[in-house]
Amino acid sequence: NAGVMQNPRHLVRRRGQEARLRCSPMKGHSHVYWYRQLPEEGLKFMVYLQKENIIDESGMPKERFSAEFPKEGPSILRIQQVVRGDSAAYFCASSRRTDEKLFFGSGTQLSVL
Amino acid sequence: GQQVMQIPQYQHVQEGEDFTTYCNSSTTLSNIQWYKQRPGGHPVFLIQLVKSGEVKKQKRLTFQFGEAKKNSSLHITATQTTDVGTYFCAGANQFYFGTGTSLTVIP
Repeated sequence: NAGVMQNPRHLVRRRGQEARLRCSPMKGHSHVYWYRQLPEEGLKFMVYLQKENIIDESGMPKERFSAEFPKEGPSILRIQQVVRGDSAAYFCASSRRTDEKLFFGSGTQLSVL
Repeated sequence: GQQVMQIPQYQHVQEGEDFTTYCNSSTTLSNIQWYKQRPGGHPVFLIQLVKSGEVKKQKRLTFQFGEAKKNSSLHITATQTTDVGTYFCAGANQFYFGTGTSLTVIP
């Protein structure tokens, strides 16, 4: 039973390019969460999605960032026109139901040159 | 939004010493979860507490949920080098993680 799969593990982008981060939740999990983590800092909640719906995006910047969790396929976190400040580790987590434990992926380390 | 604060931010202990991290919320929590993140790794679920005053143990780890369900603690007895990492609490539907306590164990 595969865990939460994130890819790519490392992503390098130049300023102004787009970054697409993918997350496949564990089998049977319909809740997906995205977090951002800077070195030596905590996990900052970005967005919570269920299949085809964004439930809470209060932690996600209004501009340049978007997320989706389509009926088929992985959840995607998209960052348009990346800037150096977007460099961070982005973790995805999934759960079967709300209020249940989260299973985290290995994260995507985004580096913006 | 909800604030979940953890103290201390960093803790260095000699191997064999005890360690405690505290988690405090500005609002009442329906439940609280604890996670551990090893250096360079991803958070891994440790435990969930639901009831007021609940205490749970996992070997050398003791987790407690406050009576008012606004605070929680994680206590490690006789730390080992394998305990190294950052410990996070999370409340309110897992949206809000605490700031984390980074534990260093000196052999």
